[in-house]
Amino acid sequence: GDSVTQMEGPVTLSEEAFLTINCTYTATGYPSLFWYVQYPGEGLQLLLKATKADDKGSNKGFEATYRKETTSFHLEKGSVQVSDSAVYFCALSDLGQGAQKLVFGQGTRLTINP
Amino acid sequence: KAGVTQTPRYLIKTRGQQVTLSCSPISGHRSVSWYQQTPGQGLQFLFEYFSETQRNKGNFPGRFSGRQFSNSRSEMNVSTLELGDSALYLCASADRGTTTNEKLFFGSGTQLSVL
Repeated sequence: GDSVTQMEGPVTLSEEAFLTINCTYTATGYPSLFWYVQYPGEGLQLLLKATKADDKGSNKGFEATYRKETTSFHLEKGSVQVSDSAVYFCALSDLGQGAQKLVFGQGTRLTINP
Repeated sequence: KAGVTQTPRYLIKTRGQQVTLSCSPISGHRSVSWYQQTPGQGLQFLFEYFSETQRNKGNFPGRFSGRQFSNSRSEMNVSTLELGDSALYLCASADRGTTTNEKLFFGSGTQLSVL
């Protein structure tokens, strides 16, 4: 079945550092790819998405490019802030019986120190 | 617009009991899906409902069930609770949930502890 493999955490960085969180996927079809973020005590929020090969999703300084040839969707940010501390989930979207279903990676806990 | 509302926020139950969790989707959304989040297994899909019909189901035992009402509100039920059912249960809503690029809106979840 479809699966998502994410870089293991936790990741600790200093403010203004460059961030990369690796994500690779296995899928039989052509899924859409997502990054979701979870702040403490909250549900998931969509950070960005890409729906086809070579698409770049971006939001709040974060970017990720859908690479079909390497089956990857790595998350990057040029200069992180303390407020970016959260858990980040890479996910792909599958259609099962005509209904959307997300398959998530294990999540990467990110801590940014001032 | 109000977001996805899940109640209760916290629940403590003992083994063998049953529990019902509730989810109210964003107004106008007709697709509701449920996910279980645990430290060991991560986020796993439970099931999805649209117009009161279950369209998709994950790999969970029959103790996990759900339903959706005509106003799109959904409930999930877990019978004969086991210690391993302790988890954060997240509900997500979408307009129709029939395309792979549709955005899901998540609630804050119900934290279930089984003692």
